[in-house]
Amino acid sequence: QVQLQESGPGLVEPSQTLSLTCTVSGGSISSGSYYWSWLRQPAGKGLEWIGRIDTSGSTNYNPSLKSRVSILVDTSKNQFSLKLGSVTAADTAVYYCARLTVLKGFDYWGQGTLVTVSS
Amino acid sequence: DIQMTQSPSTLSASVGDRVTITCRASQSISSWLAWYQQKPGKAPKLLIYKASSLESGVPSRFSGSGSGTEFTLTISSLQPDDFASYYCQQYKRYSATFGQGTKVEIK
Repeated sequence: QVQLQESGPGLVEPSQTLSLTCTVSGGSISSGSYYWSWLRQPAGKGLEWIGRIDTSGSTNYNPSLKSRVSILVDTSKNQFSLKLGSVTAADTAVYYCARLTVLKGFDYWGQGTLVTVSS
Repeated sequence: DIQMTQSPSTLSASVGDRVTITCRASQSISSWLAWYQQKPGKAPKLLIYKASSLESGVPSRFSGSGSGTEFTLTISSLQPDDFASYYCQQYKRYSATFGQGTKVEIK
């Protein structure tokens, strides 16, 4: 059973960079044709896809965030990571990592981690 | 960008009711549509993929239909565990977009 777990600071100051890591367990991040993704959800609002990466390092990002986002993968640690620069209060949200399959969409999710942007 | 419009935003229903949620895409997405259920404080859970395929372990009272730009999620007989928020999501090409969600409340 694949499991994903987000980790990283819960508080980030405005204008700084938000950094999160997702650790995948229960299987190799390199096995199968999957895309490893980040999503977020502000309190009381809907879901927003941030971007995805495959294990070759190929990425796709949400156009609305593309200028500030970077997603990397570390296959040796079975992890992938998110960096979101120049954050503002509008970036305060629960951030999820998830596995995206071509056939099914997002089939495995982390439990989510709340990141608050505040000084 | 492909926009997803979901309706209604809120739905009040009783246990045993048949419930239908609609999702419309701004352009054709073939059958590349998934439905998720989300409960407060929890991650979304995949219910339906490829518009009408039931994810393993999901009760058969959930069903999906549609193709192109019009899709529906139907719960044939609403159960107490089904009161939650539901989201559609397109995964055509290299992006993913969600509908704004439908909250199913107890009537």
